[in-house]
Amino acid sequence: EDKVVQSPLSLVVHEGDTVTLNCSYEVTNFRSLLWYKQEKKAPTFLFMLTSSGIEKKSGRLSSILDKKELFSILNITATQTGDSAVYLCAVSGTYKYIFGTGTRLKVLA
Amino acid sequence: EAQVTQNPRYLITVTGKKLTVTCSQNMNHEYMSWYRQDPGLGLRQIYYSMNVEVTDKGDVPEGYKVSRKEKRNFPLILESPSPNQTSLYFCASSFMNEQFFGPGTRLTVL
Repeated sequence: EDKVVQSPLSLVVHEGDTVTLNCSYEVTNFRSLLWYKQEKKAPTFLFMLTSSGIEKKSGRLSSILDKKELFSILNITATQTGDSAVYLCAVSGTYKYIFGTGTRLKVLA
Repeated sequence: EAQVTQNPRYLITVTGKKLTVTCSQNMNHEYMSWYRQDPGLGLRQIYYSMNVEVTDKGDVPEGYKVSRKEKRNFPLILESPSPNQTSLYFCASSFMNEQFFGPGTRLTVL
């Protein structure tokens, strides 16, 4: 059965800290892994990863995929209170998307 | 503006009363999908459509129907809603695996 597992389930940090969010997967016919940020509304796209070892960066956020070990990490450096959200990992297989349950991040001022 | 729209945004209904949630996208995407989001369970795919007249079941299709008669629209139909379908529903369209989500429909079935 296809599955995506995220850890930790929740995390509380202080502004300026660096956090690492984890996503492991077992999905048939892997096509891509996607990261989303969800505040009190629809998920917004962060990254799409298809190749191992190539880091994607956007400002203070970065992500990398390991297709051999079947996991990805999302790093956020110098966290800010605006980073507080649920971070979702999803894997696309053949026409299907499987989501993890998310990591809830709270950044304290 | 490129977007996915859903209507209604909020709906309270009673058990057994048929309802339709509409979804429309203006990006000419071939792939569209419906999800439900429940606490502790994350986003689960209900149905997806690869193109007009081509649909298939996701992980939780029971109690739902869809149709894709034209590329831009992908309505979700609940023929006889039950309380366990109370949830937050998202429609999404996709191009090259990147998904764009609608704003969500919060459905309560009493």
